[in-house]
Amino acid sequence: GAVVSQHPSWVICKSGTSVKIECRSLDFQATTMFWYRQFPKQSLMLMATSNEGSKATYEQGVEKDKFLINHASLTLSTLTVTSAHPEDSSFYICSASFGGAGNQPQHFGDGTRLSIL
Amino acid sequence: DAKTTQPNSMESNEEEPVHLPCNHSTISGTDYIHWYRQLPSQGPEYVIHGLTSNVNNRMASLAIAEDRKSSTLILHRATLRDAAVYYCILRDRGSGSRLTFGEGTQLTVNP
Repeated sequence: GAVVSQHPSWVICKSGTSVKIECRSLDFQATTMFWYRQFPKQSLMLMATSNEGSKATYEQGVEKDKFLINHASLTLSTLTVTSAHPEDSSFYICSASFGGAGNQPQHFGDGTRLSIL
Repeated sequence: DAKTTQPNSMESNEEEPVHLPCNHSTISGTDYIHWYRQLPSQGPEYVIHGLTSNVNNRMASLAIAEDRKSSTLILHRATLRDAAVYYCILRDRGSGSRLTFGEGTQLTVNP
């Protein structure tokens, strides 16, 4: 079945570092990918919609200059957390679907656990 | 986004059927009903989705009420590996439409 690969799965770094997370659709082309953040014991919160070849659409309250999204190809979207601080520590998850329409299942990566010291 | 309501938690015994309910009284005609589940420390996993008719796949069955204001995810024989948070989400049929996650139902499966 369709697979979404996310890398790295775990990152620990110092405060002030920028961290890049990759999300790849392995066997289908994804014009739209989504990025979520999940804090412990909470549900997933949508951060932004990543559109191939155009700017990402950010949800209200999400700083676009802090969470840089690039969707350079139909199989790759990246999320860069710039100048990360301890409050950015979270579980980041991407998703994609073939075609992007609502009658298609979303496929999720296994997530990236980010810990900022 | 139309809202869904699910019980916070449910319990089941291994090898017994599980019926997970979801209410979505404000569903629109273009909303698909999606179900996903999330195991600890993993990304969500697609389970099933439907529009009006009941749906079956290798993982589960989805029973949709005639007025579409509620649905039930059915796991025919629960296993310990089915213990997860189950999310019922409405997704518009339009291209690029997103999934908005609620709190879901934490399913516990007892051996």
